[in-house]
Amino acid sequence: GQNIDQPTEMTATEGAIVQINCTYQTSGFNGLFWYQQHAGEAPTFLSYNVLDGLEEKGRFSSFLSRSKGYSYLLLKELQMKDSASYLCAVKYAGNMLTFGGGTRLMVKP
Amino acid sequence: DSGVTQTPKHLITATGQRVTLRCSPRSGDLSVYWYQQSLDQGLQFLIQYYNGEERAKGNILERFSAQQFPDLHSELNLSSLELGDSALYFCASQAVNTEAFFGQGTRLTVV
Repeated sequence: GQNIDQPTEMTATEGAIVQINCTYQTSGFNGLFWYQQHAGEAPTFLSYNVLDGLEEKGRFSSFLSRSKGYSYLLLKELQMKDSASYLCAVKYAGNMLTFGGGTRLMVKP
Repeated sequence: DSGVTQTPKHLITATGQRVTLRCSPRSGDLSVYWYQQSLDQGLQFLIQYYNGEERAKGNILERFSAQQFPDLHSELNLSSLELGDSALYFCASQAVNTEAFFGQGTRLTVV
C-alpha cells in the first residue's frame, strides 16, 4: 500500500502559525493534495503540489519535497474557523487518490 | 457546490438489509472514487472507477460492490448490512490531473 502519515491531532492558538506535516511513499508519486474537512461535511480542496517547492495561497501555503516524500501545510494568522481536519492525499500512478488519516486541528482563543 | 451529487443524503436501515448509494460526477469527469468515513475516522478508500472500468480497489468488503454506468454515474451497493457499516459514504469525481471534488456524502445509519 501507499502509507500516508500525518499527525492525528494538533492544537494551536488563534493568530498563530501551525505546520501540519505529511509523509508518503514515493514510488509512483504523481501529485499531492491538501483538503480541509469540517466535521460531517465534505472535504474541500486547498492546494496541489506536483513539483518541489512552496505554493502560497493567502493564509495557506503548501510545501513539497519529492525526494524526501514529505509535504507540509502551513496555516498563518489562525482563525477559529480553521478548526477542522486537514487531509493529505497523494495521487499515484494510475490516478488513484489515497488519503492519509487526517490531522484534527483545534484552534483555541 | 462541487458539482458532484450524491443521493440519498441520509439513509436509515436495519441490519441484514441491502442499500444502494448513488453518485453523479461532475460533467466530463471520468474518475469516480468511493470512500467510507466512520465516526471520527479518516477517509477509507473503497474503490475507484475510470470510464466505466474498475481502476483500483481498497479495503472494500465482499458485501460491498460498485459499478459505473455508461453515463458515468456510479452506484455503491452495500448488502447484509451490519451496525459497523454505519458511516458517511463519500463519492468524489476527478478529471485527469486535477483535484478531486467531493459530493456531500450519504450518511448511512444501520439500526
